[in-house]
Amino acid sequence: AQSVAQPEDQVNVAEGNPLTVKCTYSVSGNPYLFWYVQYPNRGLQFLLKYITGDNLVKGSYGFEAEFNKSQTSFHLKKPSALVSDSALYFCAVRDRGNTPLVFGKGTRLSVIA
Amino acid sequence: ETGVTQTPRHLVMGMTNKKSLKCEQHLGHNAMYWYKQSAKKPLELMFVYSLEERVENNSVPSRFSPECPNSSHLFLHLHTLQPEDSALYLCASSPGTAKGETQYFGPGTRLLVL
Repeated sequence: AQSVAQPEDQVNVAEGNPLTVKCTYSVSGNPYLFWYVQYPNRGLQFLLKYITGDNLVKGSYGFEAEFNKSQTSFHLKKPSALVSDSALYFCAVRDRGNTPLVFGKGTRLSVIA
Repeated sequence: ETGVTQTPRHLVMGMTNKKSLKCEQHLGHNAMYWYKQSAKKPLELMFVYSLEERVENNSVPSRFSPECPNSSHLFLHLHTLQPEDSALYLCASSPGTAKGETQYFGPGTRLLVL
């Protein structure tokens, strides 16, 4: 069965510093990986996804993520954090076959001015 | 705006009430989804519709009844809910149900069951 783990409930970072939000996954085949962001009182917004090809994926708002097959990870990164990046971030994975998209529990990012 | 709208945004209902949540997508997508988001739990997929046919039902209690009259609209009919059903209900749509398709979410309906 497929699963995804976000090991940190909360990440705090100072504005202007690089940020990383961690995600690891478990699938039986090749994964399809997604990152979403949720701002207060809003739905989830798509940031980026990895399907195939280049391991470094660039997405919206300056975010990027690197697919690492050997470590089964798909960490979200940004070189310079903004206060407006403060939100709840979700990693999601989908296996091959007729399986649903499985979400992690989410990581709350706080960027402090 | 993601092109997916949900109404109402907030709903308070008693356990004996009947209410409906509405979702509309303006993206020309063929698949629509209902998710439940509870505090400190992963998103739970409830129902999936593809081309107006239900293709997934994740053991959801019968007090939740979905309806998809066309590919742009999705409803979730609620009756005799329990307090533990209080949550944020999110609707999403995608072009199809293929594995790499991106799902686009609405803002959600915050439901409180008293």
